[in-house]
Amino acid sequence: DAKTTQPPSMDCAEGRAANLPCNHSTISGNEYVYWYRQIHSQGPQYIIHGLKNNETNEMASLIITEDRKSSTLILPHATLRDTAVYYCIVRVASNFGNEKLTFGTGTRLTIIP
Amino acid sequence: KAGVTQTPRYLIKTRGQQVTLSCSPISGHRSVSWYQQTPGQGLQFLFEYFSETQRNKGNFPGRFSGRQFSNSRSEMNVSTLELGDSALYLCASSSTPGHAIEAFFGQGTRLTVV
Repeated sequence: DAKTTQPPSMDCAEGRAANLPCNHSTISGNEYVYWYRQIHSQGPQYIIHGLKNNETNEMASLIITEDRKSSTLILPHATLRDTAVYYCIVRVASNFGNEKLTFGTGTRLTIIP
Repeated sequence: KAGVTQTPRYLIKTRGQQVTLSCSPISGHRSVSWYQQTPGQGLQFLFEYFSETQRNKGNFPGRFSGRQFSNSRSEMNVSTLELGDSALYLCASSSTPGHAIEAFFGQGTRLTVV
């Protein structure tokens, strides 16, 4: 699976959009970009995933550059409950289940009141 | 529907003992994976089971083992516990085959070895 690089920490004001970047310059054509987050002392929570098109769901938007070497997770209106560690993961889609997720160190996002 | 359930939530064991942790996946999910999370190493993959078969294994010693039952519930066992095994152990489940499947994690079992 491709390696990802994320900033170790970021702050964002409550109510503003939080933009979390991720570099994955060695991504292969069949690898998806996944985002998970982990709120303190809880298990990681799936947020969104994409291959090459931008994706949006009720939690966030995922913007993937045309060359697929980087992506940005956008939380449109950050709340205090969005304070968490955010993990960007790149892996091949599996036909048999979730298989192995390789978590990096992630970005610790702090929402400031 | 109910989420992934891990029991117990907290556990204290002594060095040299063994421990068994349990994970009940979301109903209908047949894939169960286990992860270890420590402050120093972060989240690391232990193994994955699908339909009672171990399909993937991480880089952990043989003291770490697991199994999956016909109802998809899974257990992991750690024998001859070491202080370094103190960690949050997380279980994740996902549904039957399909591509780009999302994993659902439980709250974890926090194991402390003294």
